[in-house]
Amino acid sequence: DTAVSQTPKYLVTQMGNDKSIKCEQNLGHDTMYWYKQDSKKFLKIMFSYNNKELIINETVPNRFSPKSPDKAHLNLHINSLELGDSAVYFCASSHTLLDKGNQPQHFGDGTRLSIL
Amino acid sequence: DAKTTQPTSMDCAEGRAANLPCNHSTISGNEYVYWYRQIHSQGPQYIIHGLKNNETNEMASLIITEDRKSSTLILPHATLRDTAVYYCIVRSTGNQFYFGTGTSLTVIP
Repeated sequence: DTAVSQTPKYLVTQMGNDKSIKCEQNLGHDTMYWYKQDSKKFLKIMFSYNNKELIINETVPNRFSPKSPDKAHLNLHINSLELGDSAVYFCASSHTLLDKGNQPQHFGDGTRLSIL
Repeated sequence: DAKTTQPTSMDCAEGRAANLPCNHSTISGNEYVYWYRQIHSQGPQYIIHGLKNNETNEMASLIITEDRKSSTLILPHATLRDTAVYYCIVRSTGNQFYFGTGTSLTVIP
């Protein structure tokens, strides 16, 4: 059983379009995250949601809007896509309630977004 | 979070132990040491973590020095499938996982 699953795995679209990436976790975790990995392979956190509430919002353009319908899902909607949005986007989840610094995050396999 | 320093790349012969070092000289008392790896085209995979004591699981062993300023991840019998980028991260509760550049490990047949 896949613990953290993202769809789609690949997304190729034109500049200016709006697209969504979905993420689901079946680990019973209470916190979910979105990361962006750029062409230089740096992995940077974008958003974090705890029990459907936004708790971290790094410096991300407001064209990016996360949505969490329940604590097992965190979707990422991107408006007016730009060339610089091309990257791999990873979803992750963890237990925050139990966290004393000792709760690992578990990642999905990523969504490869290419803007033409 | 404390900064970590890792070698950029390492090679290891297949079947031998791979020892990946990490320096975290500014680590504070409540920060855990985590290791993740990222195999090409996949998401980061959690390997192991520890606070003070050495830890072992089915994937690897983590050796933390007594002063906690450095650690070593040991893959006891490296296989070709262990070729990946390995990230050493330190964090405490409420803080995020900051991924650096990691060590690119190549297992050679």
